[in-house]
Amino acid sequence: AQSVSQHNHHVILSEAASLELGCNYSYGGTVNLFWYVQYPGQHLQLLLKYFSGDPLVKGIKGFEAEFIKSKFSFNLRKPSVQWSDTAEYFCAVLFTGGGNKLTFGTGTQLKVEL
Amino acid sequence: GAVVSQHPSRVICKSGTSVKIECRSLDFQATTMFWYRQFPKKSLMLMATSNEGSKATYEQGVEKDKFLINHASLTLSTLTVTSAHPEDSSFYICSASEEGFQETQYFGPGTRLLVL
Repeated sequence: AQSVSQHNHHVILSEAASLELGCNYSYGGTVNLFWYVQYPGQHLQLLLKYFSGDPLVKGIKGFEAEFIKSKFSFNLRKPSVQWSDTAEYFCAVLFTGGGNKLTFGTGTQLKVEL
Repeated sequence: GAVVSQHPSRVICKSGTSVKIECRSLDFQATTMFWYRQFPKKSLMLMATSNEGSKATYEQGVEKDKFLINHASLTLSTLTVTSAHPEDSSFYICSASEEGFQETQYFGPGTRLLVL
């Protein structure tokens, strides 16, 4: 079965530190890739998505992600995090032929300290 | 942007009763809506996919007679948890995708269900 892995479950960073969250998926076919963020007490919001084209995708709030097909990865990055980035981050993959069903990773809880 | 609402945000019910949760797309027409369940410290688990005007498609292991889904219009889907049990206590989240842009889902704020 197709799966999505997020290896970092909890990440603690100081403000201004750089962030990279890993996401890997198990599927050799065409995929659509997403990163969602869930701020405390709020609903899931789309950060960025990749469907095709330039594998380096820029999203909202200074986030970006790079699709590396050979590594089945879609890692999320931000050069300098802020306290307000404290949230849970979910990687999600839409596998072609899956009827637009998203498969989510287990999430990464990011805490940014002042 | 595309906004999805859910009602109620929290509900407490007695074991054996039924609870209905509504999911609405406020500023777009949602041909497809999805229902997820989120366990504490775990990811979202897709329960079912509903398309307007047709029967929902349930994921393996999800009881369709227990979790009734209705998608009667392009802006409203409902999930009814029938004969609720304490193990049904969870966070239920819906999402909706817009006609013509079905790869992207917009999520509601979720409903916290507690069954006593």
